[in-house]
Amino acid sequence: AQKVTQAQTEISVVEKEDVTLDCVYETRDTTYYLFWYKQPPSGELVFLIRRNSFDEQNEISGRYSWNFQKSTSSFNFTITASQVVDSAVYFCALSKGGGGNKLTFGTGTQLKVEL
Amino acid sequence: NAGVMQNPRHLVRRRGQEARLRCSPMKGHSHVYWYRQLPEEGLKFMVYLQKENIIDESGMPKERFSAEFPKEGPSILRIQQVVRGDSAAYFCASTPDGAYNSPLHFGNGTRLTVT
Repeated sequence: AQKVTQAQTEISVVEKEDVTLDCVYETRDTTYYLFWYKQPPSGELVFLIRRNSFDEQNEISGRYSWNFQKSTSSFNFTITASQVVDSAVYFCALSKGGGGNKLTFGTGTQLKVEL
Repeated sequence: NAGVMQNPRHLVRRRGQEARLRCSPMKGHSHVYWYRQLPEEGLKFMVYLQKENIIDESGMPKERFSAEFPKEGPSILRIQQVVRGDSAAYFCASTPDGAYNSPLHFGNGTRLTVT
């Protein structure tokens, strides 16, 4: 069975601080994909990144960066110089093969960025 | 708007009534997924459909819930004889193909409240 754990329920930071959101996953599949989604207060889900299990290179996109470590089954997400607009719930998710992309989501981390 | 369209945005039903949730996938997408988000929880997979076919309904409750994706028109998630425990946000997502690494493009969700 697959499982995604986001142990941080809620994080509060002051604007311009760096913040890391943790994600730990469990799977028996050798090939899998990991995703991060953002859910702002308006409620929609926004795709942020996809990473496959064979690519352990870190990725940076502007103020966002992702650290994938297969040895610890973690796929952490760092926001540098956080901004108020980053306030949202962030979900980590794991794909399951066998036809289609049925994601297993973590319970999410609520990030609050204050002035 | 070429994104995934869900309606209604909010739906209130009394116990015992039927709820119909609609989802029009992104243009060019023929694969649809339905997820449910209970308060304070992550999203849970319900069902995966292609045009006129249910591919995987392993996450659907065995009773009262059904889904379809006809050749013409939107996908419909139908909940009969709703109960208070059905109150949740229901999200639809679409992909252009059935690859398990295809990022899901989500709609804004339908918030169902059962009174």
